[in-house]
Amino acid sequence: DGGITQSPKYLFRKEGQNVTLSCEQNLNHDAMYWYRQDPGQGLRLIYYSQIVNDFQKGDIAEGYSVSREKKESFPLTVTSAQKNPTAFYLCASSIGPGISNQPQHFGDGTRLSIL
Amino acid sequence: SQQGEEDPQALSIQEGENATMNCSYKTSINNLQWYRQNSGRGLVHLILIRSNEREKHSGRLRVTLDTSKKSSSLLITASRAADTASYFCATGPPVVGNEKLTFGTGTRLTIIP
Repeated sequence: DGGITQSPKYLFRKEGQNVTLSCEQNLNHDAMYWYRQDPGQGLRLIYYSQIVNDFQKGDIAEGYSVSREKKESFPLTVTSAQKNPTAFYLCASSIGPGISNQPQHFGDGTRLSIL
Repeated sequence: SQQGEEDPQALSIQEGENATMNCSYKTSINNLQWYRQNSGRGLVHLILIRSNEREKHSGRLRVTLDTSKKSSSLLITASRAADTASYFCATGPPVVGNEKLTFGTGTRLTIIP
């Protein structure tokens, strides 16, 4: 079955540490997204990529970095510069640019906490 | 920034009743989408309505869109316990090819058996 796999499900970060969240999709989608969700809140866009080797900042990119070296993979690094990283992180994908009105497909998230 | 605002923030109804959630937004859109999120899980796409459509149905779901009022509603008929979840609206910008969605803050729906 096609879908999006996020790992790990739970992650703990120590002070000063960078951590990387994995997101892999086998839907053959061009576009991928990272969102942050805080308790009782909606989703806020961190970074998105519409095609391999290209990505753009979303609304809250500070303290985060991404790469898009392969179509199926879009890892997110939460750096030590992100002072409040505790949140639920969701990865999503959609077919890609040039095709409007697309739904997004989501993984099951990674919950990140500070030790 | 949040584009959509869902109303109410929380809703509890008896199983079998209908549930209605509303979404208001601020700027022009290309499309509006509704998603469901079960506790601790990712979002699941429910239905997409284009800006030139007024109503859309999918099973027990009915979505309306009023672009003049910048609002949408999601109706779930004959609710079931499995419908307990948070529901989010998301708007797509009017620029074709930019598929960045902006999500609202969600309505938490509880179905009482």
